[in-house]
Amino acid sequence: EDKVVQSPLSLVVHEGDTVTLNCSYEVTNFRSLLWYKQEKKAPTFLFMLTSSGIEKKSGRLSSILDKKELSSILNITATQTGDSAIYLCAVDLSQIQGAQKLVFGQGTRLTINP
Amino acid sequence: KAGVTQTPRYLIKTRGQQVTLSCSPISGHRSVSWYQQTPGQGLQFLFEYFSETQRNKGNFPGRFSGRQFSNSRSEMNVSTLELGDSALYLCASSPIGGYEKLFFGSGTQLSVL
Repeated sequence: EDKVVQSPLSLVVHEGDTVTLNCSYEVTNFRSLLWYKQEKKAPTFLFMLTSSGIEKKSGRLSSILDKKELSSILNITATQTGDSAIYLCAVDLSQIQGAQKLVFGQGTRLTINP
Repeated sequence: KAGVTQTPRYLIKTRGQQVTLSCSPISGHRSVSWYQQTPGQGLQFLFEYFSETQRNKGNFPGRFSGRQFSNSRSEMNVSTLELGDSALYLCASSPIGGYEKLFFGSGTQLSVL
């Protein structure tokens, strides 16, 4: 059975800290791994990673995939209270080019205290 | 540009009833996918439609069904509701595929009593 596991499930840090969120997967037919941020209800796209291993960066956020370890990390530096959210990791399992079939992890609830 | 619109936002039903949820994608988007989110199971893929055809389906019983209309609007239906169907149902749309342009709606919160 395809499985995506995130850790930790919950994390509380102080503003300014650096955090690392983890995502590991056991799936067949891996295509790509995605990170989303869910603040209220609608998840918003952060990164898409492939087996190329290329690191993706956007401001204080960065992410990379380790295809040997079947895992990915999401780093957030100099955290701000606005980073408080649930961070979701998902793996694309679609076998049809361009189609969608995402398997999500449980998410990491990140709380940034001022 | 309007975002993905889901209606209704909240819904209360009783066991055994059926429910229909609606999703209007972003203008020009032809792919619509549906997800169920619960505290216990997280976000789970239900199905995806493109040009009125179901392209992918998740591991949900046949009580869960969906369809897409020629204007790309989509509906999902759950028949014979069970308590465990209480969840946030999220719809997402994209132009033809590709996750960088996948946008989620704010969901329909379904409570089954």
